[in-house]
Amino acid sequence: GENVEQHPSTLSVQEGDSAVIKCTYSDSASNYFPWYKQELGKRPQLIIDIRSNVGEKKDQRIAVTLNKTAKHFSLHITETQPEDSAVYFCAASSSQNFVFGPGTRLSVLP
Amino acid sequence: DTAVSQTPKYLVTQMGNDKSIKCEQNLGHDTMYWYKQDSKKFLKIMFSYNNKELIINETVPNRFSPKSPDKAHLNLHINSLELGDSAVYFCASSLPLGETQYFGPGTRLLVL
Repeated sequence: GENVEQHPSTLSVQEGDSAVIKCTYSDSASNYFPWYKQELGKRPQLIIDIRSNVGEKKDQRIAVTLNKTAKHFSLHITETQPEDSAVYFCAASSSQNFVFGPGTRLSVLP
Repeated sequence: DTAVSQTPKYLVTQMGNDKSIKCEQNLGHDTMYWYKQDSKKFLKIMFSYNNKELIINETVPNRFSPKSPDKAHLNLHINSLELGDSAVYFCASSLPLGETQYFGPGTRLLVL
């Protein structure tokens, strides 16, 4: 089955700096890679996703890159703001499975 | 116009009791899920149903029994509650398995 690893588990950055979270997956059949943000006490919500036929996708301050050969994908957040503080989950999925990474707790310090 | 809803939002109960959590989605999705999120924030999938049929059944004690009366509803019944069952339980839905999941607000279960 699919196994998704995520690093780092915690990340602290100064406001305005960039943050990068990395994930690796094991199943070459995985073809969809969403990222979710979970604020304290709230539900996980999709912030960006990428499919296997694309190498990079950007939406304002967030971007995701995918390296299918190496089976890793990353989330990049630029110009971080205090409201970016949350737990971020990556996931890898196929028609047979949907597996979340263990999460990264991001703290943006003012 | 809530997309995925769960009831109750909070559930405090004694060990040994039986309780149910209800989930409904109005997105027209085919697939629904139950996740358990413990204090370490891991999102652990428990079950998944597609059009009322069980398609994912992870290693979960058989005290947990999902029921899907139709494709818009997936309920979770828990028998003989234990302290370790305390967690937040999230329902989610998606078009087919493998596509974007939309989560409910969560049910915070505390077993005393």
